[in-house]
This record gives sequence, structure tokens and C-alpha cells, in this order.
Amino acid sequence: GDSVTQMEGPVTLSEEAFLTINCTYTATGYPSLFWYVQYPGEGLQLLLKATKADDKGSNKGFEATYRKETTSFHLEKGSVQVSDSAVYFCALIKAAGNKLTFGGGTRVLVKP
Amino acid sequence: DADVTQTPRNRITKTGKRIMLECSQTKGHDRMYWYRQDPGLGLQLIYYSFDVKDINKGEISDGYSVSRQAQAKFSLSLESAIPNQTALYFCATSEDNTGELFFGEGSRLTVL
Repeated sequence: GDSVTQMEGPVTLSEEAFLTINCTYTATGYPSLFWYVQYPGEGLQLLLKATKADDKGSNKGFEATYRKETTSFHLEKGSVQVSDSAVYFCALIKAAGNKLTFGGGTRVLVKP
Repeated sequence: DADVTQTPRNRITKTGKRIMLECSQTKGHDRMYWYRQDPGLGLQLIYYSFDVKDINKGEISDGYSVSRQAQAKFSLSLESAIPNQTALYFCATSEDNTGELFFGEGSRLTVL
């Protein structure tokens, strides 16, 4: 079946550091890929998405590129802030699918 | 006011008790979902509904039941709660199958 694998956290960084969170997936066909973010005490919200190979999703300084050859969708941000402290979830949905498949989540803590 | 509202936000109960978690939405979406979040396991789908007359089991439906009372309301019940159902529960909605979900703030359930 479909699956999403993320690096385990927590990831602890200093402000202005570079952030990378690895995400790889297993799925047949051509899924759409997503990053969701969960800030403390809140529900998940969509951060960015990409719907086909080589697409780059971007939002709030975060970027991720859909790499079909490596089945990856790594999340990056060049200079993190304390407010980026959250749990980040990678997810996929199949083209004809009805539901998202989530990875296990990666907790990121940014220290001043 | 939040577009997706869950009640209660926190609940402590005892083994064997019946518990209902409620979800209401003002987004006008037909699709609604219940997820369970456990540390390190990401989100697992419990049940989903694509309209008032449609109910589908997710990955972990055993021990749970749902009711779709109206387009805007989707409740989750635990008929006889057990300690391993202690978790954070999220309700979500979507407009279509593109993978963009809108989440409530979560209901934290503790079963003693």
C-alpha cells in the first residue's frame, strides 16, 4: 500500500539556521504531495503542495520539489525563525484516491 | 470563529464509558473525516464521509462509530472506551479529493 516516511525528530535548530526535513514516499501512479504544519495547540494546516513531477511548492519561505526519480519531497527553509517551531507532516494522495496518507511527523524546535 | 469546531477540547474518562466527540463546520464542505494522532505515528484515518448518506471505514475503525447528522455535523463515538484509545482526535473537512483538508483544533481524550 501507499506510505510516507519522514525523518524522525525532534530537530533542534538555532534561529536563522537552514532547515531540511526529508520525506520519501511509496505509491503507484502519480500522487500529489503535501506538507502540512501543526503549530502548538492547533490543528494541521496546509503549508504547500505539488501535483506533478518537478513541481515546486512554496509558502512562507518554505519550499519542496516533487522528485519522482527519487520518490522524495524534502522540505527546506533557508532561515528559520522561532515561530517555525511546529510539527511538520508529509502526505500524499493518489490521483483517483479519496484520502490522504500521512507520514509520522517531524517536530522542529527553533531556539533564539 | 473557527471554520471547523470540535467539542470537547479535552476529556478525561474511565474505562468502559461511552464517549462522543462532536464536530461541526461552517465551510460548506460535503467531505468530513475523523483522524487519530499518536506521538510518532502521524495521523491515522478512523472514518470518513462524503455526504450525509455516506459513511466509510478508515484504517483504524475498530472500537469507534460515527454519525453524520447533517452536512455540517459529524460525530465520533467510543462505545466502551479503553486506555489505548487515549489520543488526540482531529476532525477535518475537504471540498474535493485534491488533498487539501481543513482541520479542527483537536480533542484530547484520556481514558483511565
